Amino acid sequence: SAVISQKPSRDICQRGTSLTIQCQVDSQVTMMFWYRQQPGQSLTLIATANQGSEATYESGFVIDKFPISRPNLTFSTLTVSNMSPEDSSIYLCSVHNLAGPYNEQFFGPGTRLTVL
Amino acid sequence: EDKVVQSPLSLVVHEGDTVTLNCSYEVTNFRSLLWYKQEKKAPTFLFMLTSSGIEKKSGRLSSILDKKELFSILNITATQTGDSAVYLCARGSGNTGKLIFGQGTTLQVKP
Repeated sequence: SAVISQKPSRDICQRGTSLTIQCQVDSQVTMMFWYRQQPGQSLTLIATANQGSEATYESGFVIDKFPISRPNLTFSTLTVSNMSPEDSSIYLCSVHNLAGPYNEQFFGPGTRLTVL
Repeated sequence: EDKVVQSPLSLVVHEGDTVTLNCSYEVTNFRSLLWYKQEKKAPTFLFMLTSSGIEKKSGRLSSILDKKELFSILNITATQTGDSAVYLCARGSGNTGKLIFGQGTTLQVKP
């Protein structure tokens, strides 16, 4: 499976500020996804990061709040904008394994965000 | 609405016990059923199931899918304290590749 890294690993931010999370993969992957896991909750898909085009957002998530970039097949960023305490979550990127079955996804180590 | 339901939500057992975790899902555009183990932040991939009745096995863990009854189970035999984690079940969507997760089962294995 691909080796996935995320930066930062954790951060504590003030409300009203923005944080950009990076996801780097050691090999080219066709699909990259961003998930959010709020405290005590399961994973919720924010968006699919599309290489060379705008991300595809899930219901309840908008580009102004969670802008996503994917400039190439190994890298993506998620920005959490104008943060509030409700944005405190673990943010995870995942990748589809190009060599594996269609839905098989592997996750990065996650970014734990706390908004004060 | 696509939905994945796991049960139980939490479970406490002692080392050596066998546990069975359940996952039911809705059929719309179903493609696969995946199990993950989450200990800290990152879910670790365990199994992906696409065919009914074929058991997948890895050490003390095994899983099977029933596409007629729309559920899957994850079995852990001879549990160890290192098995303590949240176990997540997710269904894969055929067209988009995205995963829809259940609420998770929190397993605690006591010495």
